[in-house]
Amino acid sequence: DTEVTQTPKHLVMGMTNKKSLKCEQHMGHRAMYWYKQKAKKPPELMFVYSYEKLSINESVPSRFSPECPNSSLLNLHLHALQPEDSALYLCASSPTASRETQYFGPGTRLLVL
Amino acid sequence: SQQGEEDPQALSIQEGENATMNCSYKTSINNLQWYRQNSGRGLVHLILIRSNEREKHSGRLRVTLDTSKKSSSLLITASRAADTASYFCATDPGGGADGLTFGKGTHLIIQP
Repeated sequence: DTEVTQTPKHLVMGMTNKKSLKCEQHMGHRAMYWYKQKAKKPPELMFVYSYEKLSINESVPSRFSPECPNSSLLNLHLHALQPEDSALYLCASSPTASRETQYFGPGTRLLVL
Repeated sequence: SQQGEEDPQALSIQEGENATMNCSYKTSINNLQWYRQNSGRGLVHLILIRSNEREKHSGRLRVTLDTSKKSSSLLITASRAADTASYFCATDPGGGADGLTFGKGTHLIIQP
């Protein structure tokens, strides 16, 4: 299995909702990442997990809460989001957090109303 | 701030022609990578070139790296309609961080 899966593919939520994005990989990778991508912009790094520990948090607002339950799973919990948080959320993994090739999932397209 | 800056921002060529995209970056790097993204989809890794390499090939792709000019180019030869996508260069930002920093990207359109 050489892919990263993300669920759901699309999500519409209100500003008072709580939802979660899920990412899964079975390649034995020990580093996983969340990126945010606005339309016609490059992906921007949000969080890095290395060996299930959060190693980087790029000054992301607390309404985004990452969780890494095990080496194959990465969640992003969403609460009290703003309309400007609408974007494509991409998950990626790599064998280690060593700046090498990253493997991306298809993304979750989030719309906050 | 973005590490990589691609140009052109958009490129439209005829099928069969070659497409060249450039990327400039600001700080020293360990490697530079190129990714492709089809509309609204995830990114696909194309090629990685290390700081001690000058040129690398993979199929119809040719990447060059000039660390003295802090620039890289991606050449796609004999373009196909399926090559229509956005292309991003990505660098490690240095300072011990482990995520990638992406350039603004080049949107490539191959006209059939």
